[in-house]
Amino acid sequence: AQTVTQSQPEMSVQEAETVTLSCTYDTSESDYYLFWYKQPPSRQMILVIRQEAYKQQNATENRFSVNFQKAAKSFSLKISDSQLGDAAMYFCAYRRGNFGNEKLTFGTGTRLTIIP
Amino acid sequence: DADVTQTPRNRITKTGKRIMLECSQTKGHDRMYWYRQDPGLGLRLIYYSFDVKDINKGEISDGYSVSRQAQAKFSLSLESAIPNQTALYFCATSEERGYNEQFFGPGTRLTVL
Repeated sequence: AQTVTQSQPEMSVQEAETVTLSCTYDTSESDYYLFWYKQPPSRQMILVIRQEAYKQQNATENRFSVNFQKAAKSFSLKISDSQLGDAAMYFCAYRRGNFGNEKLTFGTGTRLTIIP
Repeated sequence: DADVTQTPRNRITKTGKRIMLECSQTKGHDRMYWYRQDPGLGLRLIYYSFDVKDINKGEISDGYSVSRQAQAKFSLSLESAIPNQTALYFCATSEERGYNEQFFGPGTRLTVL
């Protein structure tokens, strides 16, 4: 079974600085997708960024980027120029790539605090 | 209007009561999911449905049942609620193709006393 591990229960960063959240996963599949979701205090789950395993180029969405290391099974999230609105729980998620296997497996989350 | 809605948003009930959580979506997606979120455990899949006639158990289905009344509606029932079912429940939808990105509802906070 696939597992997703987020080893940092809590992180904090000074406003305008850069922070990296870690995620590792375990799978025997070669085709899969990885996601980072943000859950602010409103508790809504919001997709931040996604990565396809067969793409070597790291995904980027504005201030958010990932460092995808397939061999190491690592998928870290970098947030640049941190803003107060980035304060939230962040969840890493995995799903297999083949049709009919769209179920997400989530990590346990990292709570990010932004220090003004 | 929100694409994925859940009712109720908050509910307090007593042990042994039957309770239903409802999910509706206007995204036209075939796939719908129910997750449970507990502190320190992330989200775990309870049930999922790929169409009206296709219902599948997730990793923690014991004590729960579901009904897919229509493409747009997917309900989760607790036949006899117990305190360890106190949690935040999310409904999600996804389309069949592409990334199959899952879109989440706002969640239902359920407390079982």
